[in-house]
Amino acid sequence: AQSVTQPDIHITVSEGASLELRCNYSYGATPYLFWYVQSPGQGLQLLLKYFSGDTLVQGIKGFEAEFKRSQSSFNLRKPSVHWSDAAEYFCAVGGNQGGKLIFGQGTELSVKP
Amino acid sequence: DTAVSQTPKYLVTQMGNDKSIKCEQNLGHDTMYWYKQDSKKFLKIMFSYNNKELIINETVPNRFSPKSPDKAHLNLHINSLELGDSAVYFCASSQGPQGSGNTIYFGEGSWLTVV
Repeated sequence: AQSVTQPDIHITVSEGASLELRCNYSYGATPYLFWYVQSPGQGLQLLLKYFSGDTLVQGIKGFEAEFKRSQSSFNLRKPSVHWSDAAEYFCAVGGNQGGKLIFGQGTELSVKP
Repeated sequence: DTAVSQTPKYLVTQMGNDKSIKCEQNLGHDTMYWYKQDSKKFLKIMFSYNNKELIINETVPNRFSPKSPDKAHLNLHINSLELGDSAVYFCASSQGPQGSGNTIYFGEGSWLTVV
């Protein structure tokens, strides 16, 4: 069955520290992978996506993610976190066979001064 | 200009009432969606329309009825509201159906509270 797992429900990092949010997926075909961010009281904004090609993908707001097929992972990283990055982050997987986009359960990021 | 806009943003209503949420996208996309986000922030697709045709209809109670008068609009009508319908409802759109590598763009959500 297709699924997305974000193992960390809540992460707290200090401002200026590096960040890695984990995402593991299970998908029977070539996956399309996405990271979205949801600020409090807001909708979802696309951070980045992977369809094919270079496995290291750059996104907005200084985020990047690396697709590792052997590990079925698509972890999101940022070298230096800002207080404004505090939000909920969702990983999602879809495919090229008309399958639905499946979201992970989200990781809440808190940033401490 | 907001790409995907939905109204109202907040809605508090009593059990048993009927309510509608409207959605419009100005991206020129062919496909629109309704997603539900529950209290645990889990996101699940409810419906999807492509060029006004229903293409995804998840296991959703019949009390929920989407309507797409044209491909830029997708409204959600909910009859006989129940406490469990309290959630955030997101409208979204994409160039083509999800699963074809299309990016989905979300509205800002409609917070529905049933009392």
